[in-house]
Amino acid sequence: DGGITQSPKYLFRKEGQNVTLSCEQNLNHDAMYWYRQDPGQGLRLIYYSQIVNDFQKGDIAEGYSVSREKKESFPLTVTSAQKNPTAFYLCASRLTGLGTNEKLFFGSGTQLSVL
Amino acid sequence: AQSVTQPDIHITVSEGASLELRCNYSYGATPYLFWYVQSPGQGLQLLLKYFSGDTLVQGIKGFEAEFKRSQSSFNLRKPSVHWSDAAEYFCAFGYTGGFKTIFGAGTRLFVKA
Repeated sequence: DGGITQSPKYLFRKEGQNVTLSCEQNLNHDAMYWYRQDPGQGLRLIYYSQIVNDFQKGDIAEGYSVSREKKESFPLTVTSAQKNPTAFYLCASRLTGLGTNEKLFFGSGTQLSVL
Repeated sequence: AQSVTQPDIHITVSEGASLELRCNYSYGATPYLFWYVQSPGQGLQLLLKYFSGDTLVQGIKGFEAEFKRSQSSFNLRKPSVHWSDAAEYFCAFGYTGGFKTIFGAGTRLFVKA
């Protein structure tokens, strides 16, 4: 079955540590997105990528980094510069980049907590 | 600036009662509108979408939504709620030439027996 796989489901970060969240899709979608979800705030866009080897900052990119070396993969690194990383992180994809009329497909999320 | 507002943080309805979740958007032209549902600890699933044409849109799980241009609204409705509908619901919109979908803050639905 096609879909988006996020791992791990739960992740704990120590102070000063960088952690990487995995996102893999086998839908052959060009565009991929990372959202952060905090209670009562909806989904906020961290980074997005419309094509391989290209990505852009979203609304809350500070303290995060991404790469897009393969079409299927869009990992997110939460760096030590992100002072409040505790949140639920969602990866999503869409068939094309400039197609906001198309629906987003979501992974099942990663809950990141600070130890 | 483009935005979407869901005025109700949470709503409680009795099982079998009707449901309406409110959504208002701010945009100068006709947007693309969506409703997504999220179960706890899970990703979002599309319920329905509106692009153009008939302003009453049917979705999955018995949901429907009506686009009202004059009120800049896209409210979600269901005639009879089931306990399994308890979840968080997000209204979202996109626009021509845009690169990102903009989400509302969400409305959490509680269903009481």
